[in-house]
Amino acid sequence: EVQLVESGGGLVQPGRSLKLSCVASGFTFSNYGMNWIRQAPGKGLEWVAYISSGSSYIYYAETVKGRFTISRDNAKNTLYLQMTSLRSEDTALYYCARRSIYNNYLDYWGQGVMVTVSS
Amino acid sequence: DIQMTQSPASLSASLGETVTIECLASEDIYSNLAWYQQKPGKSPQLLIYDASSLQDGVPSRFSGSESGTQYSLEINSLQSEDAATYFCQQHHDYPWTFGGGTKLELK
Repeated sequence: EVQLVESGGGLVQPGRSLKLSCVASGFTFSNYGMNWIRQAPGKGLEWVAYISSGSSYIYYAETVKGRFTISRDNAKNTLYLQMTSLRSEDTALYYCARRSIYNNYLDYWGQGVMVTVSS
Repeated sequence: DIQMTQSPASLSASLGETVTIECLASEDIYSNLAWYQQKPGKSPQLLIYDASSLQDGVPSRFSGSESGTQYSLEINSLQSEDAATYFCQQHHDYPWTFGGGTKLELK
């Protein structure tokens, strides 16, 4: 069974940093591209970042480019999102999601981890 | 960026009815369109990919279609468990973008 379990969220002050993790199981993690998607409270979905299976290709949304860094450790089956210079508008539920091996849709999602940026 | 305009924002329907949700892409996305279902307090789940392909395990009452840059999700014979918010997503080009969502309420 595919499982994605996020952790590392919490309350953080504006301008500070936070690192999210997503541990994968139930599939060969090193074969799949991975994403972070976020959802502000009561709002829609926003794609945040993508990393290819071997970390060769990395893309970011303009809203986080230069502040967030996506990375992965295939030996640990873990995806990361390092978030710096956090802003109130980064407050959201952050999901990790697996890119299908066939195309750019998201075939499995984690349960999400909440990040609240507030003083 | 490719804009995805989803409609309606909300709708109410009765058990057994058929409903249609639409997404209009701001440019050609070549059938690279997915639909997700999100129930309250849960993460989104993939229903349809490549505009009309049904994800494994998804009931056949869900179907997707396209006409030009207009994409549709149809749900036939509504069941109580279909009450949820539905999102479309274009997976043609970065940044991947989502529609604003459609909240489906069962009467």
